[in-house]
Amino acid sequence: AQSVTQLDSQVPVFEEAPVELRCNYSSSVSVYLFWYVQYPNQGLQLLLKYLSGSTLVKGINGFEAEFNKSQTSFHLRKPSVHISDTAEYFCAVRAFGNEKLTFGTGTRLTIIP
Amino acid sequence: KAGVTQTPRYLIKTRGQQVTLSCSPISGHRSVSWYQQTPGQGLQFLFEYFSETQRNKGNFPGRFSGRQFSNSRSEMNVSTLELGDSALYLCASSISGTAPTEAFFGQGTRLTVV
Repeated sequence: AQSVTQLDSQVPVFEEAPVELRCNYSSSVSVYLFWYVQYPNQGLQLLLKYLSGSTLVKGINGFEAEFNKSQTSFHLRKPSVHISDTAEYFCAVRAFGNEKLTFGTGTRLTIIP
Repeated sequence: KAGVTQTPRYLIKTRGQQVTLSCSPISGHRSVSWYQQTPGQGLQFLFEYFSETQRNKGNFPGRFSGRQFSNSRSEMNVSTLELGDSALYLCASSISGTAPTEAFFGQGTRLTVV
């Protein structure tokens, strides 16, 4: 089984400041890793994914994440946030050969003007 | 290319009733998964269908069921509704071929049980 821990339930950040949203996972098998974003009353939109290859992955809207296998982490970063980044962010894992996604509890990112 | 379409967007039902939610996946996607999202429990996996067969199932009571049709469209049914079933129900589709790919989500159906 897999589990995902998002250590911060809420993160307030000033506009144009950098941000890091933390994600740690646990799994007895190899996994794929994802970050999704959810805006109010919307579904989930994929920000970025790690399937294989380079451990630094870039996604939409200027976000990037680094897969660290030894620390079982997949932290999300953005060098300069905008008001439009206000949303809830979910880290998720999926075991090889399985479509089931296991999600963290989410991090609410609030941008302060 | 059209995204994942879920209908209806909003539903209000009474305790004890049953409800059916629909999901049309992205064209060419053969796997459809369902998730329940609540403030208390977060995002929880309900089940996954592939080629009209349930391939994976989460820890939900038997009141929650689903099916998939030959065109990959899927429906989810909840019988004997309880207040605790109020949630956002999300459907996700993926190609589920030999190469790993991501899942794409619909806008969800907001179910309110009164």
